[in-house]
Amino acid sequence: DGGITQSPKYLFRKEGQNVTLSCEQNLNHDAMYWYRQDPGQGLRLIYYSQIVNDFQKGDIAEGYSVSREKKESFPLTVTSAQKNPTAFYLCASSMGTGGVDTQYFGPGTRLTVL
Amino acid sequence: AQSVTQLGSHVSVSEGALVLLRCNYSSSVPPYLFWYVQYPNQGLQLLLKYTSAATLVKGINGFEAEFKKSETSFHLTKPSAHMSDAAEYFCAVSARAGGTSYGKLTFGQGTILTVHP
Repeated sequence: DGGITQSPKYLFRKEGQNVTLSCEQNLNHDAMYWYRQDPGQGLRLIYYSQIVNDFQKGDIAEGYSVSREKKESFPLTVTSAQKNPTAFYLCASSMGTGGVDTQYFGPGTRLTVL
Repeated sequence: AQSVTQLGSHVSVSEGALVLLRCNYSSSVPPYLFWYVQYPNQGLQLLLKYTSAATLVKGINGFEAEFKKSETSFHLTKPSAHMSDAAEYFCAVSARAGGTSYGKLTFGQGTILTVHP
């Protein structure tokens, strides 16, 4: 089955630690995205990548970093600089970044900072 | 800049009743519009999208939405609610080529739909 996988489903982190969230897709999509979801705020774009070895900041990139070394993988690192990292993180992919392209979402990772 | 407003963070209906979830958008150019559904602790699933082929768009699970340019609206409806429709629904907008937000998907705040037996 083609789709997007995210791991782990639940993640706990101590303050001051960096943590990396995994996102893998086998849809052969060029574009990948990371969103953060907080209750009552919808989804906010953290980073996106249109092609391998290239990525751009979204609306709330501070305290996060990404890499895109392979087409199918787009890991997100939540650094200690992110002041309020507890949230639900969603990865998505699309064929391209044209406005009409549908974004397909993974199941999400819930990060809790202890 | 583009934006989306979903009127009503919570909507409650009885099973079998009409479902109406409201979405209004703001965009400098005619946009593409999407409705997604999210079940608890899961990712988002596309219900339907408007790409200008037709103003009335039919989606999965019996949902449909109508694009009204004069009202800048894209409300989601379903004639008869089912218990399995209980979820959170998100409206999203993406600009066409030439807009300053080209390719970027902007989401509304979400509407939680509750269905009572």
